[in-house]
Amino acid sequence: NAGVMQNPRHLVRRRGQEARLRCSPMKGHSHVYWYRQLPEEGLKFMVYLQKENIIDESGMPKERFSAEFPKEGPSILRIQQVVRGDSAAYFCASSPLDNSPLHFGNGTRLTVT
Amino acid sequence: DAKTTQPNSMESNEEEPVHLPCNHSTISGTDYIHWYRQLPSQGPEYVIHGLTSNVNNRMASLAIAEDRKSSTLILHRATLRDAAVYYCILRDLGGADGLTFGKGTHLIIQP
Repeated sequence: NAGVMQNPRHLVRRRGQEARLRCSPMKGHSHVYWYRQLPEEGLKFMVYLQKENIIDESGMPKERFSAEFPKEGPSILRIQQVVRGDSAAYFCASSPLDNSPLHFGNGTRLTVT
Repeated sequence: DAKTTQPNSMESNEEEPVHLPCNHSTISGTDYIHWYRQLPSQGPEYVIHGLTSNVNNRMASLAIAEDRKSSTLILHRATLRDAAVYYCILRDLGGADGLTFGKGTHLIIQP
């Protein structure tokens, strides 16, 4: 049973471009969470999704960031018009049920030049 | 999620037990105590969780104080691969919300 898969592992974008980060949850998991970790800082919750629904987006910046988890396919975190401050590691986690432990992927490291 | 307090860092020797403390004096009756760890350049990894009773699994043991205001993660025989940041997190029983990570404890293992 493959773990949570995130791709790409590393992503380089110039300021103003769009970044699309993909997350395939573990098989049978319908809950997906996105976190951001800035250099030398802790993990910050961004958004929690279930299939086709955003449950909690209290940690998402108000502009430029969006997330989806369609009925088919991976969850996508999209960052439009990236800025240098968006450079960070973005982690996705999944779980099968409410209050189950989260399983994390190894992240996408975004560098904005 | 309620707040937890952990030491910034701890150091231990290889093959010795490690006791990682966590204070959570404002814990509510429905909060589970979760522990995760993050190895360098990797995503966090679930370690263990419990509510009131002590818990054991293949990775670690979790000792929970009787008043639940503190807990201790026990690694029975630390190896170099256990060097990581360990996070103690409270999560409500009914909550499906995301975990709130603090700064954690940076565990250093000396060979």
